[in-house]
Amino acid sequence: NAGVTQTPKFRILKIGQSMTLQCTQDMNHNYMYWYRQDPGMGLKLIYYSVGAGITDKGEVPNGYNVSRSTTEDFPLRLELAAPSQTSVYFCASSYLGGRATDTQYFGPGTRLTVL
Amino acid sequence: EDQVTQSPEALRLQEGESSSLNCSYTVSGLRGLFWYRQDPGKGPEFLFTLYSAGEEKEKERLKATLTKKESFLHITAPKPEDSATYLCAVQEETGGFKTIFGAGTRLFVKA
Repeated sequence: NAGVTQTPKFRILKIGQSMTLQCTQDMNHNYMYWYRQDPGMGLKLIYYSVGAGITDKGEVPNGYNVSRSTTEDFPLRLELAAPSQTSVYFCASSYLGGRATDTQYFGPGTRLTVL
Repeated sequence: EDQVTQSPEALRLQEGESSSLNCSYTVSGLRGLFWYRQDPGKGPEFLFTLYSAGEEKEKERLKATLTKKESFLHITAPKPEDSATYLCAVQEETGGFKTIFGAGTRLFVKA
């Protein structure tokens, strides 16, 4: 199992550009998440998905969009990039079973700089 | 407001010098508390889940404990390879799938 994979690892964008961060998991997890991590701060939830075709906003969704057409993939779209979106982005997945707690497995992250 | 506070922000230890990291939380009802380890440039790696006060879990030199308002991550006789950032996160009983992360404790272990 590769677990959770993310591409690209690094990216520099100009203000106003758009891009898609890719995330794929091969663990057949039903839940997937996007977080951002700023220096000295905890992870902040951007969007999450409870299954294919179902997504919902997290704590900091403005400026981002997601889709989930398959169980495996959960891309994050940045429209009109702004310097405030400079951060490290992590994708995570989990399987919510009977115990109903949420052990999340994280990808390696994408470091994004907007100049 | 629900929150998770970790202390200290940074901790420097000598190899073999045992210590503890603290995670205090305020949520209306706890579904689970999680500890993760994060190495520089990598994603968080799951360590433990604790569900109720009094519960303890161990893995190698790490032991996590839980009370009603805080959790401790005890590190016994640490080695340089234990150097990392340790993240605490909580999930509420009625919070849907909202997981609140603390800012982390950066641990440095010197040989």
